[in-house]
Amino acid sequence: DAEITQSPRHKITETGRQVTLACHQTWNHNNMFWYRQDLGHGLRLIHYSYGVQDTNKGEVSDGYSVSRSNTEDLPLTLESAASSQTSVYFCATEQGREQFFGPGTRLTVL
Amino acid sequence: GENVEQHPSTLSVQEGDSAVIKCTYSDSASNYFPWYKQELGKRPQLIIDIRSNVGEKKDQRIAVTLNKTAKHFSLHITETQPEDSAVYFCAAARNSGYALNFGKGTSLLVTP
Repeated sequence: DAEITQSPRHKITETGRQVTLACHQTWNHNNMFWYRQDLGHGLRLIHYSYGVQDTNKGEVSDGYSVSRSNTEDLPLTLESAASSQTSVYFCATEQGREQFFGPGTRLTVL
Repeated sequence: GENVEQHPSTLSVQEGDSAVIKCTYSDSASNYFPWYKQELGKRPQLIIDIRSNVGEKKDQRIAVTLNKTAKHFSLHITETQPEDSAVYFCAAARNSGYALNFGKGTSLLVTP
C-alpha cells in the first residue's frame, strides 16, 4: 500500500547539533510539506515543495532547511538544534484531494 | 499571509448535544477549507472539507458551513459521542494541493 513514513519517530539531541528528519512517500506526489506542532500554536508550516528541486519557506522556516532531489523524499534539516525546536514534526503530502500526514517525529533538544 | 483564527480553544459538551467550532480567515484568495481531527498521540486526519463555491456540506453527523463574504467557516457536530473527543483544527489554503494555514485548534471533550 502507498504510504507516507517518517523517521526517526523519536529523537533526543543536544543543542548545537545538526539533525535531519526523514520523510518518504510512495504515492509519487509532487507536493510535500513540513509542519511543527506545539501546544497553543497548532500546526505551523516550516517548508514545502511542489516538485523536484522546488523548495519554499513557510511561516516558521528560520533554523530549518529542506532539499528535494527526488519525488519521494523531503528531508528536514535543523542546522544547529535549539531548545526552541523541541516539538512534534509532521510531514504531509497531497493524496487525492486531501493533505495526508505522516505519523510524526517527536524531537527533544536538550 | 493568511491568518486563521479558531474559537473556542476548549469545548465541553454532554453526549448527544451538538458542538460548533468557528474559524475566520484573512486572505480573500483562500478557496479551500478543510477540517482535521487529531486524537491523542496520533496524526491529524481530514474529516471534512469545503470549497469556496459551496456554502454548506454535510457528511452524516458532521457539517461545515462557509460564508465567503464574512470570511468565516464553521464545523458542526450533531449527536456527539465520546469518541468525538479530540482536537479539531480548521485550515485555509488557495487550493487543496497547497500549503495549509491552520487555526490553533479546539480541544473537544464529550462527556457521557
